[in-house]
Amino acid sequence: QSALTQPASVSGSPGQSITISCTGTDSDVGVFNYVSWYQHHPGKAPQLVLYDVTKRPSGVSNRFSGSKWGNTASLTISGLQAEDEADFYCSSYAGSGTYVFGTGTKVTVL
Amino acid sequence: QVQLQESGPGLVKPSETLSLTCAVSGHSVSSAYYWAWIRQPPGKGLQWVGSIYQGGTTYYNPSLKSRLTISVDTSKNTFSLKVTSVTAADTAVYYCATIAASGTHFDYWGQGTLVTVSS
Repeated sequence: QSALTQPASVSGSPGQSITISCTGTDSDVGVFNYVSWYQHHPGKAPQLVLYDVTKRPSGVSNRFSGSKWGNTASLTISGLQAEDEADFYCSSYAGSGTYVFGTGTKVTVL
Repeated sequence: QVQLQESGPGLVKPSETLSLTCAVSGHSVSSAYYWAWIRQPPGKGLQWVGSIYQGGTTYYNPSLKSRLTISVDTSKNTFSLKVTSVTAADTAVYYCATIAASGTHFDYWGQGTLVTVSS
């Protein structure tokens, strides 16, 4: 069970859009439409921002959107804001009650 | 809304057992919900540790399975994690979380508690 691969860092200016990729395998991302994304400000509890690839929990901004193609899922943040600066992690259900997380991406707002 | 709070020793000696408890409020641990432990070693990413489902069925990370026990205490409305034979590699912030009814994601998280393994 290897970690999903994410870029270590992504940056953008306020108002821009950025996309974070999350690459897995035929055993997790590729076979299940159960990719979720979490925003993590250090020292605080991670917060769910997307689940089941494209669904947003109540209260999460519609600036967050998701997609998946093959073994790679993506999170797009549009209209980047200073408050979006955080670490982002993807996760996928991997079958038989197991889960795998991504390596994490640090988002910097320039 | 579910609220979670981890508690336990912040320092554990190598080869000993790490024990953590997650206090649940706003929901009963014995009702239809799933419970999980996730950890984050210093400077590293999140790692799913294990989960317990209604009825007591457990699922563990294969890399940790032989050393893990997750259980529920309905009388205290808590669930717990035990990791035996700890090493420095088990040093991490440990989070407890809920798994959504669909089983596909973690919807509520605790603030996390740092456990350091050191003599």
